[in-house]
Amino acid sequence: DARVTQTPRHKVTEMGQEVTMRCQPILGHNTVFWYRQTMMQGLELLAYFRNRAPLDDSGMPKDRFSAEMPDATLATLKIQPSEPRDSAVYFCASGNRGLGAFFGQGTRLTVV
Amino acid sequence: GQQLNQSPQSMFIQEGEDVSMNCTSSSIFNTWLWYKQDPGEGPVLLIALYKAGELTSNGRLTAQFGITRKDSFLNISASIPSDVGIYFCAGPDSSYKLIFGSGTRLLVRP
Repeated sequence: DARVTQTPRHKVTEMGQEVTMRCQPILGHNTVFWYRQTMMQGLELLAYFRNRAPLDDSGMPKDRFSAEMPDATLATLKIQPSEPRDSAVYFCASGNRGLGAFFGQGTRLTVV
Repeated sequence: GQQLNQSPQSMFIQEGEDVSMNCTSSSIFNTWLWYKQDPGEGPVLLIALYKAGELTSNGRLTAQFGITRKDSFLNISASIPSDVGIYFCAGPDSSYKLIFGSGTRLLVRP
């Protein structure tokens, strides 16, 4: 049963610490998305990749967020340094062009 | 950029009732997607629509791709308590960036 796997599921960290979230997309999918979900903002697109190349990261605060795909089986989202306003659920999703995207279960991040 | 306007924002209905929600855009979409999100989970793809005028069903769910390509509708018949959740419409823009609506929160009274 193919699925997007995200780790960790939950993360509590202190302000100023580095946070790394990982995503294993579904094998064969060429597009990977990172979304952030909060009650106030809904689902915000942070960045997305096609064939491992970053296409758009305009939704990310560049000074502290970075997204990479070191290989086809791993996407990472890093926050350094983390701030309390970064507290949210971060979702990774993968798909193929125009055919919909399949979401992981998310990483719930709390920055205290 | 392209935006999707979803309505209603929330619905509180009696079990057994039918539900309708819709999504509109000021620009054309070539694909419409409907997702459901349960509490504590990621959104799950329910229905994908690829052609204007297309009507597709998934159990008690039926979705339509509007003929103008600027809207889509999702209907749920005979609602049950497990239909509770947030329903999102979504579509890829011209660069295949997946855009989401703000969601319709559905509550079902047993």
